[in-house]
Amino acid sequence: EDQVTQSPEALRLQEGESSSLNCSYTVSGLRGLFWYRQDPGKGPEFLFTLYSAGEEKEKERLKATLTKKESFLHITAPKPEDSATYLCAVGGNTGKLIFGQGTTLQVKP
Amino acid sequence: GAVVSQHPSRVICKSGTSVKIECRSLDFQATTMFWYRQFPKQSLMLMATSNEGSKATYEQGVEKDKFLINHASLTLSTLTVTSAHPEDSSFYICSARVPGGGPARTEAFFGQGTRLTVV
Repeated sequence: EDQVTQSPEALRLQEGESSSLNCSYTVSGLRGLFWYRQDPGKGPEFLFTLYSAGEEKEKERLKATLTKKESFLHITAPKPEDSATYLCAVGGNTGKLIFGQGTTLQVKP
Repeated sequence: GAVVSQHPSRVICKSGTSVKIECRSLDFQATTMFWYRQFPKQSLMLMATSNEGSKATYEQGVEKDKFLINHASLTLSTLTVTSAHPEDSSFYICSARVPGGGPARTEAFFGQGTRLTVV
């Protein structure tokens, strides 16, 4: 059964304090691992897709990496506007996206 | 990224009435759209997969007679919550899969979500 587990559930950082969010997954036939950002009351906003182990992608202060079992979303020198819930999802042979529970990030000025 | 528009963003309805939510792909044609439900502080739960020109595929436990899905064109899918009750109150989100790129390309973009409150 495809499964995604994210940790930690919540993370509080001071502005400028770098950290990483974890996404562990099991999937039959990985077709893609996806990271989304979700603000309260909004739909998820697409950030990255990673397709194979060893792949890395960056966007501003965010960097996503992928291994065969997990993905990390590294946040470098975060700002208060980075506060949001970050969702990880995997797409496998079923063609559906399976989401993790999310990590709620709060960055204090 | 691709743009998916969902309407309305908020709706309040009386118990027993029906509500229709629209999901449009604005700058691409989407043969497949997905409908999710999200409870407070929980992740997205897939309700159904909507394929243009054919019947939707519902996930286990989702009542297809209560949640009617129509995907009549390549840019529009609708979700109708029939005979709504307070327990149907939730945040409903649609997404559309970007076509092309081969079987490995499964990127999906999401609408803004619809907050449904049944009173």
